Amino acid sequence: AQSVAQPEDQVNVAEGNPLTVKCTYSVSGNPYLFWYVQYPNRGLQFLLKYITGDNLVKGSYGFEAEFNKSQTSFHLKKPSALVSDSALYFCAGPNFNKFYFGSGTKLNVKP
Amino acid sequence: SQTIHQWPATLVQPVGSPLSLECTVEGTSNPNLYWYRQAAGRGLQLLFYSVGIGQISSEVPQNLSASRPQDRQFILSSKKLLLSDSGFYLCAWGRQGLNQPQHFGDGTRLSIL
Repeated sequence: AQSVAQPEDQVNVAEGNPLTVKCTYSVSGNPYLFWYVQYPNRGLQFLLKYITGDNLVKGSYGFEAEFNKSQTSFHLKKPSALVSDSALYFCAGPNFNKFYFGSGTKLNVKP
Repeated sequence: SQTIHQWPATLVQPVGSPLSLECTVEGTSNPNLYWYRQAAGRGLQLLFYSVGIGQISSEVPQNLSASRPQDRQFILSSKKLLLSDSGFYLCAWGRQGLNQPQHFGDGTRLSIL
């Protein structure tokens, strides 16, 4: 079965420090992986995707993600966190006409 | 550019009342359309999806139904709401293809009293 997992319910980081939000995947064949962000009372916004090619993918708002095939991971990263990055983050992958989403990780960036 | 509209933004309904939530997409044709429910600001539960007019796939048997009367219109309905139907309902659209992201509306917060 295709799936992604987000092992951390919550991540706390100080403003200006680097952040990492973790995601691991289990798919057959070549994985397609996505990251989304959700602010309170809003829909999910697409951040970035990995299809093939470079293992480091750059996306919106200064975020990037590193694909690691040996560790079956696709961690979301940002070199310097902002308080405004505080939100709920979802890792996801497609399965035919549907998407399967991780359980979400709440990122808290403290001033 | 493509946009997705979802309304209403918030809704308070009594138990046993009917429900109709509407979602429309502009700027694209023949999109895949999706209804999700999100409880307590966490995980997403896929309720229904549609790959074309009149084609509805149900993921979870429940008190809700969906319809797609037009190419870019997706409706979520219920004849009689239950307390357990409370939640945050999200509509999304996507194109065919594994490398295509989904795009979400801003959701409807449904409270059942």
